[in-house]
Amino acid sequence: GAVVSQHPSRVICKSGTSVKIECRSLDFQATTMFWYRQFPKQSLMLMATSNEGSKATYEQGVEKDKFLINHASLTLSTLTVTSAHPEDSSFYICSARDPHSRDGNTIYFGEGSWLTVV
Amino acid sequence: GIQVEQSPPDLILQEGANSTLRCNFSDSVNNLQWFHQNPWGQLINLFYIPSGTKQNGRLSATTVATERYSLLYISSSQTTDSGVYFCAVRSSGGSYIPTFGRGTSLIVHP
Repeated sequence: GAVVSQHPSRVICKSGTSVKIECRSLDFQATTMFWYRQFPKQSLMLMATSNEGSKATYEQGVEKDKFLINHASLTLSTLTVTSAHPEDSSFYICSARDPHSRDGNTIYFGEGSWLTVV
Repeated sequence: GIQVEQSPPDLILQEGANSTLRCNFSDSVNNLQWFHQNPWGQLINLFYIPSGTKQNGRLSATTVATERYSLLYISSSQTTDSGVYFCAVRSSGGSYIPTFGRGTSLIVHP
């Protein structure tokens, strides 16, 4: 079945540095990918919708300059957390929409990335 | 936007027990998915079920779209079933971006 791969699964970075997380669709072309953030014991919070070849659409309250999203190809989207701070520590999950699924909108998730900023 | 409510919020079972998780939604939907998030955070797609009934091993799901709810059944639960179960829906007249419920946290004890 469709698979979405996310890398790295865990990353620790120093405060003030930037860190990049990759999301790849392995066996389908994803014109649309989504980035979520999940706090402990909470549901998934949509951060932004990433469309291939165009600018990402950010949800209200999400800082565009802090969370840079690039969707340069049909199989890769990246999330860069810039000038990371300890409060950015969280679990980040990407998902991709499979346009060739039954209704064209089935979503598959990556494995998630644990970010710890020290 | 569409509201999604899941119940119960927490569930503790003994291994071998059966359970039913519920997802209520406030508007008509054209997509509903159940996911299992394991203790390591990984989200696994369980069912794509905008209507009807599906079964996969010990798991089955039923969506009654006209009454705006979906049920996830877990039979003969195992410790590996522990984790959080989310349902995500997409309203018929709205965005294709899914809306998630708050999840049901399941712990299965050996």
